[in-house]
Amino acid sequence: GQNIDQPTEMTATEGAIVQINCTYQTSGFNGLFWYQQHAGEAPTFLSYNVLDGLEEKGRFSSFLSRSKGYSYLLLKELQMKDSASYLCAVGGGYNKLIFGAGTRLAVHP
Amino acid sequence: ETGVTQSPTHLIKTRGQQVTLRCSSQSGHNTVSWYQQALGQGPQFIFQYYREEENGRGNFPPRFSGLQFPNYSSELNVNALELDDSALYLCASSGKQGIYGYTFGSGTRLTVV
Repeated sequence: GQNIDQPTEMTATEGAIVQINCTYQTSGFNGLFWYQQHAGEAPTFLSYNVLDGLEEKGRFSSFLSRSKGYSYLLLKELQMKDSASYLCAVGGGYNKLIFGAGTRLAVHP
Repeated sequence: ETGVTQSPTHLIKTRGQQVTLRCSSQSGHNTVSWYQQALGQGPQFIFQYYREEENGRGNFPPRFSGLQFPNYSSELNVNALELDDSALYLCASSGKQGIYGYTFGSGTRLTVV
């Protein structure tokens, strides 16, 4: 079966650091992806990991451990505009993405 | 370079009706994938079109069907609408990079009453 778990909601303070965890159990694996989605808008690509380890892109970093079926997205120097849903997704067969339910992040002053 | 455009933006239909949603792929992309995103959930893969043929399908009934045209644009058709079909329908186009080069459209918000 396919199962991707991430926390439903998180809150954080402007300027702080937040880590959003994702665990997955899927029948196939073609990479672990993170997307940001503001309410009513298209998901926008943040990062992907194919190999174990940390990928850093500015204020965003993503980590993958394939043996543990675990990833996290790290957001530093939080800004109000980072308030959004963050979607963890696994690359599956047929060139498709298998998404988790998303984590709604609220950043407050 | 134009992005992925979807139309209409919003739509209200009555249970039992049929609906057609449209997607224009990003320039240079030849594959279109459709996703359904219910409120508070992540997108769920419906199907994908490549070279005008269905190239993979998720766990959706046959009343969900699609088309791809020679210019790589695509349609999603849903027959016999049910209340649970109310969702945001997202289209994503991709080229040779596949899922590593997905570009999503802003979606069509379908409400079935």
